[in-house]
Amino acid sequence: RKEVEQDPGPFNVPEGATVAFNCTYSNSASQSFFWYRQDCRKEPKLLMSVYSSGNEDGRFTAQLNRASQYISLLIRDSKLSDSATYLCVVNIGGGGADGLTFGKGTHLIIQP
Amino acid sequence: DTAVSQTPKYLVTQMGNDKSIKCEQNLGHDTMYWYKQDSKKFLKIMFSYNNKELIINETVPNRFSPKSPDKAHLNLHINSLELGDSAVYFCASSPGPYSNQPQHFGDGTRLSIL
Repeated sequence: RKEVEQDPGPFNVPEGATVAFNCTYSNSASQSFFWYRQDCRKEPKLLMSVYSSGNEDGRFTAQLNRASQYISLLIRDSKLSDSATYLCVVNIGGGGADGLTFGKGTHLIIQP
Repeated sequence: DTAVSQTPKYLVTQMGNDKSIKCEQNLGHDTMYWYKQDSKKFLKIMFSYNNKELIINETVPNRFSPKSPDKAHLNLHINSLELGDSAVYFCASSPGPYSNQPQHFGDGTRLSIL
């Protein structure tokens, strides 16, 4: 089983719509969770950390469900500029010196 | 000023050659990383250094040798390049070695092996 799984998409969504992605992780000891965004031929950039109680940043809301081992990202009022690949990222190691484990990403296309 | 900078941005070379990629961060971070993103866009960690000391070494061929002369620099040397080494290599840094701290990425080095 892959460590971090995402639906690769693409998700084609009209501008202004709400879109949600899920991601599942395999290691129940995972402690830290993030959503990164990667534009075509660019580096990954942190979109937001994901906290146990859920958190919101403008049009973006992230949720964590530890019991089911999944993370979600909700984008409201989507903009053309939201078109990108969204990477679900998990610390599999459960703390301490470790790199991040990335999902393969969900490709989002916002259509005018 | 670029926070994490890598050079070169593009590297095209022949199989069997030896090449190096340099990375520097001006964020004052203690921890630096090398990632490989292959043609399927899968991003995977290769190495991590904390304050010049190696702390992560994933299953990477020993043709790849990282070097950290100081905590602001982490270079990657690759010997005897192979076709399968073609990928985008990203350097990243974080304040410390704890994974609850997000990482900042350089803009990548696109390596193509002919």
